[in-house]
Amino acid sequence: DQQVKQNSPSLSVQEGRISILNCDYTNSMFDYFLWYKKYPAEGPTFLISISSIKDKNEDGRFTVFLNKSAKHLSLHIVPSQPGDSAVYFCAASEPGGGADGLTFGKGTHLIIQP
Amino acid sequence: DTGVSQDPRHKITKRGQNVTFRCDPISEHNRLYWYRQTLGQGPEFLTYFQNEAQLEKSRLLSDRFSAERPKGSFSTLEIQRTEQGDSAMYLCASSLVSASVRFFGPGTRLTVL
Repeated sequence: DQQVKQNSPSLSVQEGRISILNCDYTNSMFDYFLWYKKYPAEGPTFLISISSIKDKNEDGRFTVFLNKSAKHLSLHIVPSQPGDSAVYFCAASEPGGGADGLTFGKGTHLIIQP
Repeated sequence: DTGVSQDPRHKITKRGQNVTFRCDPISEHNRLYWYRQTLGQGPEFLTYFQNEAQLEKSRLLSDRFSAERPKGSFSTLEIQRTEQGDSAMYLCASSLVSASVRFFGPGTRLTVL
């Protein structure tokens, strides 16, 4: 049973436009959410996070929105740049980090078209 | 470079052989995690250490897998009698105890022939 779901395996966006990546979760104990970015043959790189006490966190071109009632979060990238092409993983953890560490989704491959 | 490092980056082995991977975490991080990632999946938790103590093991970690962190610094992950299903990217991450953000290394890609 997948507790963190990224239902879009891939997403293609034109350079300069907004990229919106979605993530749903089922475990109501999750209280901290993270987005990681991964290039081929590299490990995931931390991008941005949000605590469950907030509904929005912004860092430069990246904004994460959290809708606790819908158990849904999204990552907005604006404007999208060619270097943003990568696989994006949504991850979640329970209070104190949880015994299982982070639970990851399967990822969304973002492709930025020139 | 003060990030998480892993060695080797790639390992090709024959079924039945033993392999060992090494991870060097960020120096001030006292938590160290091992994850496995297969194609089309996100990283899956295997085990983690706080200092030298192994505090949690996933059910994915069969008895052929063993991890150590003897001095609370670097860690090794050994797979005995490798099987083709062990082919994956093995990722190491580290963090401070109080932090949820894990910083990942580049991974070791294992191919079992």
